[in-house]
Amino acid sequence: AQSVTQLDSQVPVFEEAPVELRCNYSSSVSVYLFWYVQYPNQGLQLLLKYLSGSTLVKGINGFEAEFNKSQTSFHLRKPSVHISDTAEYFCAVRAPSGGSNYKLTFGKGTLLTVNP
Amino acid sequence: DTGVSQDPRHKITKRGQNVTFRCDPISEHNRLYWYRQTLGQGPEFLTYFQNEAQLEKSRLLSDRFSAERPKGSFSTLEIQRTEQGDSAMYLCASSLDGDLYGYTFGSGTRLTVV
Repeated sequence: AQSVTQLDSQVPVFEEAPVELRCNYSSSVSVYLFWYVQYPNQGLQLLLKYLSGSTLVKGINGFEAEFNKSQTSFHLRKPSVHISDTAEYFCAVRAPSGGSNYKLTFGKGTLLTVNP
Repeated sequence: DTGVSQDPRHKITKRGQNVTFRCDPISEHNRLYWYRQTLGQGPEFLTYFQNEAQLEKSRLLSDRFSAERPKGSFSTLEIQRTEQGDSAMYLCASSLDGDLYGYTFGSGTRLTVV
């Protein structure tokens, strides 16, 4: 089984400042890692994913994340945020395909609030 | 194809009533998932279909919940004898077989039980 811990429930930042949203996971097997964004009253949109290979992953809207196997982390970063980045961000994990391992396990989310 | 569609977007029901939600996945996607999201929490897995076969059900899915995907296309999620604790956002997602990517989520159905 896998679990995900998002270390901050809320992160307030000023516009154009850098931001890091932290995610740690626990798993007895290798995992795929994902970051999703959810705007109010909407479903989840995939920001980026790590499957294998380069540990630095670039996604949409200028976000990137770095997989650190030794620290079991997958932190999300953006060098300069915009007001429009205000949303809830979810880190998720799943085991590689096979059997019943298609389900995603999500963290509790981090609310990013970008202030002018 | 415009993505995963869910209907209705919002549903208010009285405690004890039955409700049914519909999900239309992306047409070529053979896998379909239902998740539930309560306030302040991440989505929690409910159940999963591969084509018309329901392959896994979470223990969160009590006997009052039933899901179907009769022809391997759209899916329905029914909740019988609703309780206030059922109030949540119900999210549907779909993906391709052997998929190495994240799912495509619908916009969800927000259920309020009064």
